Amino acid sequence: QKEVEQNSGPLSVPEGAIASLNCTYSDRGSQSFFWYRQYSGKSPELIMSIYSNGDKEDGRFTAQLNKASQYVSLLIRDSQPSDSATYLCAVDPYGNKLVFGAGTILRVKS
Amino acid sequence: GAGVSQSPRYKVAKRGQDVALRCDPISGHVSLFWYQQALGQGPEFLTYFQNEAQLDKSGLPSDRFFAERPEGSVSTLKIQRTQQEDSAVYLCASSELSNQPQHFGDGTRLSIL
Repeated sequence: QKEVEQNSGPLSVPEGAIASLNCTYSDRGSQSFFWYRQYSGKSPELIMSIYSNGDKEDGRFTAQLNKASQYVSLLIRDSQPSDSATYLCAVDPYGNKLVFGAGTILRVKS
Repeated sequence: GAGVSQSPRYKVAKRGQDVALRCDPISGHVSLFWYQQALGQGPEFLTYFQNEAQLDKSGLPSDRFFAERPEGSVSTLKIQRTQQEDSAVYLCASSELSNQPQHFGDGTRLSIL
């Protein structure tokens, strides 16, 4: 079992819809969780960080964390074609390195 | 120029050659990380520095891989006697402190022929 699991997609949503991206992790002691966006040929760009159970909102993005279920999600409201990218879930279980999922490809169709 | 800077952006080498990849972190960032990203996969951890101290090198795939950060700022990842399986994008990231969000450079795309 991989430490961080994501559905590889592609996830296709129409412009203006809500995109929901999910991630599960195996290390129950993990404390820090991150979502990165990566455009093709580019480096990962930090979108959200979340450390406590519940929701964290930043603009059109909402991160949700449920430590009991070992589950992290990212919601993107009013999806735009420019949101089309690979979204990487990352977990920091030891406080000194990130463990990434393989990423979910998101396609927003105009 | 406030971001993480990596050079070269692209490197082509023949199998068996040595290569050196450079990372210049965000000024003042104590923690520096190297990751390797294969096509279609998420980045995989290679090694971690706090200032000049290499605190974790558990992700280095073999003893052909060596990293240093002698003055606690710029870091170099060296790969000796390169093999085709070393072909990947090598990403450097830095953070103010460990356990803080990491910010990535644009990476070096290494191709071994």
